[in-house]
Amino acid sequence: NAGVTQTPKFQVLKTGQSMTLQCAQDMNHEYMSWYRQDPGMGLRLIHYSVGAGITDQGEVPNGYNVSRSTTEDFPLRLLSAAPSQTSVYFCASSWDRTNTEAFFGQGTRLTVV
Amino acid sequence: KQEVTQIPAALSVPEGENLVLNCSFTDSAIYNLQWFRQDPGKGLTSLLLIQSSQREQTSGRLNASLDKSSGRSTLYIAASQPGDSATYLCAVFSGNTPLVFGKGTRLSVIA
Repeated sequence: NAGVTQTPKFQVLKTGQSMTLQCAQDMNHEYMSWYRQDPGMGLRLIHYSVGAGITDQGEVPNGYNVSRSTTEDFPLRLLSAAPSQTSVYFCASSWDRTNTEAFFGQGTRLTVV
Repeated sequence: KQEVTQIPAALSVPEGENLVLNCSFTDSAIYNLQWFRQDPGKGLTSLLLIQSSQREQTSGRLNASLDKSSGRSTLYIAASQPGDSATYLCAVFSGNTPLVFGKGTRLSVIA
């Protein structure tokens, strides 16, 4: 099993560009989520999904879109990149919220210039 | 809104010392609490998961306890080694939202 796979690992964008961060898991997990990690701020929840076709906003959703058409994939779209979106992005998955541990990808380091 | 606090923010200890990392959370209605380790520039590695009905979990030299009623958890590391140097993160699963994280404790174990 590959676990949670994020691509790309590194990305540089210009202000105003759009892009999609990919996240895939091969554990048949229902719960998937996106976090961003910034110095001094810790990990903050962007969006999450409790199953295919169901998504919801987290703490810092502005400027990001998500969709969940399959159980395996949960892409994060930056609509018009801003320097404030420079961060490290992590995708996570788990069976559910009550009984099982969460697994994280290795992260995508994004710089917006 | 659930808030998670970790104390201390940074800790430096000599090799071989036993140490305790602290985590507190404001809403005691949690489903579970998880401790993670993060090495610089890397992702998060799960260390221990404690269900809300459990009091503690152990894995090797690590022991995590949970006191849900007081909103506290501790991670005990026995006989620390330089390889234990990393940031340790505490996170709780409560309500309908995924994990809420503390800001972590950065641990340095000096040989």
